[in-house]
Amino acid sequence: EADIYQTPRYLVIGTGKKITLECSQTMGHDKMYWYQQDPGMELHLIHYSYGVNSTEKGDLSSESTVSRIRTEHFPLTLESARPSHTSQYLCASSESYGMGNGYTFGSGTRLTVV
Amino acid sequence: KNQVEQSPQSLIILEGKNCTLQCNYTVSPFSNLRWYKQDTGRGPVSLTIMTFSENTKSNGRYTATLDADTKQSSLHITASQLSDSASYICVVSDRGSTLGRLYFGRGTQLTVWP
Repeated sequence: EADIYQTPRYLVIGTGKKITLECSQTMGHDKMYWYQQDPGMELHLIHYSYGVNSTEKGDLSSESTVSRIRTEHFPLTLESARPSHTSQYLCASSESYGMGNGYTFGSGTRLTVV
Repeated sequence: KNQVEQSPQSLIILEGKNCTLQCNYTVSPFSNLRWYKQDTGRGPVSLTIMTFSENTKSNGRYTATLDADTKQSSLHITASQLSDSASYICVVSDRGSTLGRLYFGRGTQLTVWP
């Protein structure tokens, strides 16, 4: 069973609302990542973190923001949700860079903005 | 053009049959290649990981092969079960950056019929 948890699993929200997607891991991993995935498409990296107080933007431009105040917690926030933000958001963590030991994904949050 | 191409895009087989999924990549310099299984609405779960020096890796009924010279990998599933119905994603990591960037294929959607 994965030791990385995402909440909520599903979220339907109105346009203009502020939302925060939660991601927590209990493995003590320094590296954490957020991916966006549309149906039938590959995962795209939108944010990553090397450790506490470290955050970087990924390959895919995103209007979301992230924070890393604690090692185990890496929340993603959308200040004003739009229908174009509808997607699946996957959080992951790893011991080392790239596909090193223990690269693990959470179960994802399916976001629908109406 | 995606640096990781998977084929076929989708596949339907009968329960108990074998199948082989293909992955071709152009990522360079190569670090490792991993096959993931992603159930609908869930996060990817790792099946196998192979480095440059490994040409085959098994995990139960799943056997992955890697030809680093031709930059091809395959995932063979033996005696398929209904629970094998999922998307199978090929992920390649490079070692050309500190992040160890991951390149994702779009996946092969496998459906196993009774």
